[in-house]
Amino acid sequence: DAGVIQSPRHEVTEMGQEVTLRCKPISGHDYLFWYRQTMMRGLELLIYFNNNVPIDDSGMPEDRFSAKMPNASFSTLKIQPSEPRDSAVYFCASIRGGTDTQYFGPGTRLTVL
Amino acid sequence: DAKTTQPPSMDCAEGRAANLPCNHSTISGNEYVYWYRQIHSQGPQYIIHGLKNNETNEMASLIITEDRKSSTLILPHATLRDTAVYYCIVKIQGAQKLVFGQGTRLTINP
Repeated sequence: DAGVIQSPRHEVTEMGQEVTLRCKPISGHDYLFWYRQTMMRGLELLIYFNNNVPIDDSGMPEDRFSAKMPNASFSTLKIQPSEPRDSAVYFCASIRGGTDTQYFGPGTRLTVL
Repeated sequence: DAKTTQPPSMDCAEGRAANLPCNHSTISGNEYVYWYRQIHSQGPQYIIHGLKNNETNEMASLIITEDRKSSTLILPHATLRDTAVYYCIVKIQGAQKLVFGQGTRLTINP
């Protein structure tokens, strides 16, 4: 299996622009997670899905952030409008329910100028 | 989830055993201890987990004290590729949320 796939790997945008990050979980995994990592706040869980349904979005920082999972093999995290403080590495992870190992993708490094 | 405490950084010589401590004094009876690591510029990687018995796999060993208030992750023969940030996390098995602390930055020196 190719593992969790994220795109793009790097994104540089200007303040106010819309940013869309993409994730393809491992086939057969029914949970998908979005994390954000910064030097100041470390690794934070933003939202997670089970069977394409959002279960816990308490970590989503504000209304500018939204996440969707239209099907079992694809999820997006959108920031609109983006701000410089959104600059971070965003990780996607997936897990098969009933198992113990979350598999993380390589991350998307977002820079908002 | 119970809180964990780890030293911010540690050094170890290549080829020696690296012993990473973790305190989790408020752990509940149904909470497991999980270890993940994050090599620079990569996503976190699962290492091992356990409830109360010592565990060993191809990557590491996990020693949990009898009172379960602390544990130690052991990398038996550390290599340069083991340089990473190591996270100790406690959670109920089956609960999906991982709450990451600051971890221990382990540096393996040649």
